Amino acid sequence: AQTVTQSQPEMSVQEAETVTLSCTYDTSENNYYLFWYKQPPSRQMILVIRQEAYKQQNATENRFSVNFQKAAKSFSLKISDSQLGDTAMYFCAFMKPPGAGSYQLTFGKGTKLSVIP
Amino acid sequence: NAGVTQTPKFQVLKTGQSMTLQCAQDMNHEYMSWYRQDPGMGLRLIHYSVGAGITDQGEVPNGYNVSRSTTEDFPLRLLSAAPSQTSVYFCASREVDQRNTIYFGEGSWLTVV
Repeated sequence: AQTVTQSQPEMSVQEAETVTLSCTYDTSENNYYLFWYKQPPSRQMILVIRQEAYKQQNATENRFSVNFQKAAKSFSLKISDSQLGDTAMYFCAFMKPPGAGSYQLTFGKGTKLSVIP
Repeated sequence: NAGVTQTPKFQVLKTGQSMTLQCAQDMNHEYMSWYRQDPGMGLRLIHYSVGAGITDQGEVPNGYNVSRSTTEDFPLRLLSAAPSQTSVYFCASREVDQRNTIYFGEGSWLTVV
């Protein structure tokens, strides 16, 4: 079974600064998907960024980027130019590819990020 | 484009009562699933379905029932509600393509007293 670990329960960052959220995972699979989801107080689950394990290039989406280290099984999220609207819970999640019993996301316990004005 | 729609958004139940959380998607996705989120936890899979007429258990299935009579709908039934089932419930559907995007509903807040 896969496990996902987020070792930082809470973090804070000054507005306009950069912050990195950590995530490690454990799997014996070679192909898989990794995701970061944002959950604001409304509880809506919002996809921030995804990474396919077969891609060596780190994914980027505007101010969000990842550092994917496959051998180390590490998948950190960097938020640049932090904004007040980035305040939320952030969840790291793992998914096996289709055809590999892939029916679910396995989530970490989350990191609560507060952006301070 | 409605996406994934869950009803109700809020519900209070008494211990022992039964109820159904509704989930509908209009994207013709084969894969649908139900997760629950408890304080300090990420989402955990309750049940899932890979198509009409096919369902299976996830990580925490006890106390819940599902059925999938159509592609669009995937209701979650609580058979006899317990305080341990107080949680936020999310329905999700998944696009099976190269990107494998998962779409979540807005969540249903359930309190069992």
